[in-house]
Amino acid sequence: AQSVTQLGSHVSVSEGALVLLRCNYSSSVPPYLFWYVQYPNQGLQLLLKYTSAATLVKGINGFEAEFKKSETSFHLTKPSAHMRDAAEYFCAVSHGSGNTGKLIFGQGTTLQVKP
Amino acid sequence: DAGVTQSPTHLIKTRGQQVTLRCSPKSGHDTVSWYQQALGQGPQFIFQYYEEEERQRGNFPDRFSGHQFPNYSSELNVNALLLGDSALYLCASSFGTGVLETQYFGPGTRLLVL
Repeated sequence: AQSVTQLGSHVSVSEGALVLLRCNYSSSVPPYLFWYVQYPNQGLQLLLKYTSAATLVKGINGFEAEFKKSETSFHLTKPSAHMRDAAEYFCAVSHGSGNTGKLIFGQGTTLQVKP
Repeated sequence: DAGVTQSPTHLIKTRGQQVTLRCSPKSGHDTVSWYQQALGQGPQFIFQYYEEEERQRGNFPDRFSGHQFPNYSSELNVNALLLGDSALYLCASSFGTGVLETQYFGPGTRLLVL
């Protein structure tokens, strides 16, 4: 069975500081991994996805994530936080078996950015 | 180009009632997935529709059912509502069912069951 654990339900950083949101996954088959962002009263927007092509994945809005198989992790980072980055972030896992698009999400991490 | 749209935006029902939520996929998309997001939780997969058939289902009871129309739009029906069905219901569309196809999410329908 696949699962995702996001460490830290709330993360607070100062504007301009490094953003680090943690995600660990469990999967018995090679996973596909995703980070989504949800702004208040909006749906989820894809930030980036890992599909086994490269372990360091660059996404939109300056975010990137590194797939580390040995650590079963896919942490999301951004060098310098902006106020507009304040939102809910979700890590998700899927796999290619059955060619399905079913996503399994973590609990989410709320990012607060302080001026 | 309109993205994924959902209606209604908010809904209040009482226990035991039935509800229908609607979703129009992004232009060019033929696959619709539904997710339930309880307060403070991540979304949970309900089911996916492709070619007017349910292709995969998550761990939800039969009270949750759906339909996809020839124009690819979709409905989610929930019967015999329980208090625990209160949640944000998200629809996502994609082109095809492949896992690498990006899913585009709508803003959701917030359901409150009293």
